[in-house]
Amino acid sequence: NAGVTQTPKFRILKIGQSMTLQCTQDMNHNYMYWYRQDPGMGLKLIYYSVGAGITDKGEVPNGYNVSRSTTEDFPLRLELAAPSQTSVYFCASSGTGNQPQHFGDGTRLSIL
Amino acid sequence: RKEVEQDPGPFNVPEGATVAFNCTYSNSASQSFFWYRQDCRKEPKLLMSVYSSGNEDGRFTAQLNRASQYISLLIRDSKLSDSATYLCVVNRHNAGNMLTFGGGTRLMVKP
Repeated sequence: NAGVTQTPKFRILKIGQSMTLQCTQDMNHNYMYWYRQDPGMGLKLIYYSVGAGITDKGEVPNGYNVSRSTTEDFPLRLELAAPSQTSVYFCASSGTGNQPQHFGDGTRLSIL
Repeated sequence: RKEVEQDPGPFNVPEGATVAFNCTYSNSASQSFFWYRQDCRKEPKLLMSVYSSGNEDGRFTAQLNRASQYISLLIRDSKLSDSATYLCVVNRHNAGNMLTFGGGTRLMVKP
């Protein structure tokens, strides 16, 4: 009963490096989301997707890119990592936009 | 005005106390409402949906007041394990019908 799986769980990057955060779900959900959460703060939506081949920006998309080639996978790419991108990243999925979202257990990313 | 507003707290209560959180939302057309719970350094998890007539799940009661555009969460007989951040979640209705998360209310239950 996997649900939403994120990899890696932890990562340290150097400034200017790039990486891809992986997210996969096995619930056949159409909607998938990427959030970031800074310490003591709320969730901020980075990107979302309403189905394979369709993605759209959330409130904080700068410095990130996404793709959605399959229903199951929604990777988030960081290009030219900056210290301001140090955060916890959560991936989530839902059947429709107004149904409850199911979250992965997060990726803790530090950029030094 | 934020779409979903919550008092960030913290609410410090003794074990066994009853505590209530309110959350206000700005879009009068919103139709879906939820409470999530988030433990420190963990992912948010669905606690309960909020229905128009109000609903209860064990020690937890959720209420919706459409006229005043707020939802509430009441926790009775607080346990140490209830210590967490409680997120109010509302759908946007007009913007892809997606959910918007409030910033959360932190609860600390003390012995």
